[in-house]
Amino acid sequence: QVQLVQSGAEVKKPGASVKVSCKASGYTFTSYGISWVRQAPGQGLEWMGWISAYNGNTNYAQKLQGRVTMTTDTSTSTAYMELRSLRSDDTAVYYCARQTGPVGGMDVWGQGTTVTVSS
Amino acid sequence: EIVMTQSPATLSVSPGERATLSCRASQSVSSNLAWYQQKPGQAPRLLIYGASTRATGIPARFSGSGSGTEFTLTISSLQSEDFAVYYCQQYNNWPQFTFGPGTKVDIK
Repeated sequence: QVQLVQSGAEVKKPGASVKVSCKASGYTFTSYGISWVRQAPGQGLEWMGWISAYNGNTNYAQKLQGRVTMTTDTSTSTAYMELRSLRSDDTAVYYCARQTGPVGGMDVWGQGTTVTVSS
Repeated sequence: EIVMTQSPATLSVSPGERATLSCRASQSVSSNLAWYQQKPGQAPRLLIYGASTRATGIPARFSGSGSGTEFTLTISSLQSEDFAVYYCQQYNNWPQFTFGPGTKVDIK
């Protein structure tokens, strides 16, 4: 079945970096994009950025420009999201989601990865 | 940046009743709008895309309408499993996306 499986929970200190992985299975990885979405405790959904698994093109949310990098490894059907210079307000559940393209939504989601930033 | 707003913030509904949720965009997004359902401790689930097309496996009691700046998600007869938070999301200026703040549907 189509699924996205994310890496495990992380605890980081302020100023550190975190890299979350998202392994796809059950579909042709390069036929879709991947969006990353985060959710702070008790808050709503925040779109972080998108990457094309076909050609690696990216588009990041303006507020995260310069701190976030999204990449893919097509040999392992895995997407990665790295966030640098972590702050306490980066504490959140981070989701990857399959993006169906310009006419659709995010139809398959990972289980989420909890990132806690604390000194 | 396109800003999405949703109303009401919380909607209290009895099982079997109809629920109507609203979403508004700060500028036209045509029909490039999706709706998601999220239950506590779970990832969101795609319900509707293209403003009115149900995603695979979504029950017919969920329907979406609207275009431009005004959209509605209707749940015709609320079931116990429908109590959740609902988010709208625009993808008109793809691949830049924006979510609304959400509407919580709880039991009256």
